[in-house]
Amino acid sequence: EPEVTQTPSHQVTQMGQEVILRCVPISNHLYFYWYRQILGQKVEFLVSFYNNEISEKSEIFDDQFSVERPDGSNFTLKIRSTKLEDSAMYFCASSERGLDGMGMGMNTEAFFGQGTRLTVV
Amino acid sequence: AQKVTQAQTEISVVEKEDVTLDCVYETRDTTYYLFWYKQPPSGELVFLIRRNSFDEQNEISGRYSWNFQKSTSSFNFTITASQVVDSAVYFCALSEAQSFSSYKLIFGSGTRLLVRP
Repeated sequence: EPEVTQTPSHQVTQMGQEVILRCVPISNHLYFYWYRQILGQKVEFLVSFYNNEISEKSEIFDDQFSVERPDGSNFTLKIRSTKLEDSAMYFCASSERGLDGMGMGMNTEAFFGQGTRLTVV
Repeated sequence: AQKVTQAQTEISVVEKEDVTLDCVYETRDTTYYLFWYKQPPSGELVFLIRRNSFDEQNEISGRYSWNFQKSTSSFNFTITASQVVDSAVYFCALSEAQSFSSYKLIFGSGTRLLVRP
């Protein structure tokens, strides 16, 4: 079964350092997402990406964050200067399509990767 | 504003008991989607179900069943004859019409289910 793959599974970085989290979405998917989960808390939407541009982002996704699809297979999340509060599990997800307004249609499922645990020290 | 409330922080049951996880949502949209995800101890998010606001039929999948009631803005999840492997954190989530193409999910705070042998 196709799956979303994230690397690394765990990354430790020093405060102020740049970090890049990598994701390989499912190959025929066109929509890509990043979510994060601070330990013990709810999962929060960060950003969605379609057609090589951000389609929506949350308040969390400030100027320190950026996303990129550098080639046909990878989707990355960069944090320019990490802070202690960036420590969290980061989930990548992808879907073939977005949801639709009538609840019809197929292939609108978003598949999540296994997550990258980022620890900022 | 949209919101998902899972009032049960943690539930502990003995194996083979039935358990219901509650989810209450708030939205001003008439078109929306509701989801349930499972997060086992290994940490990944596992999709369980998606339901759109037009479809209030209850759904059963094996030992899992879902009760969607628009009148009470609830989308409750029942596990019948629970098993130890059901131990996980379960998240309810909502997606509104304006965010459909973005797949922006608003998650509840989760309910930790512990099934004891």
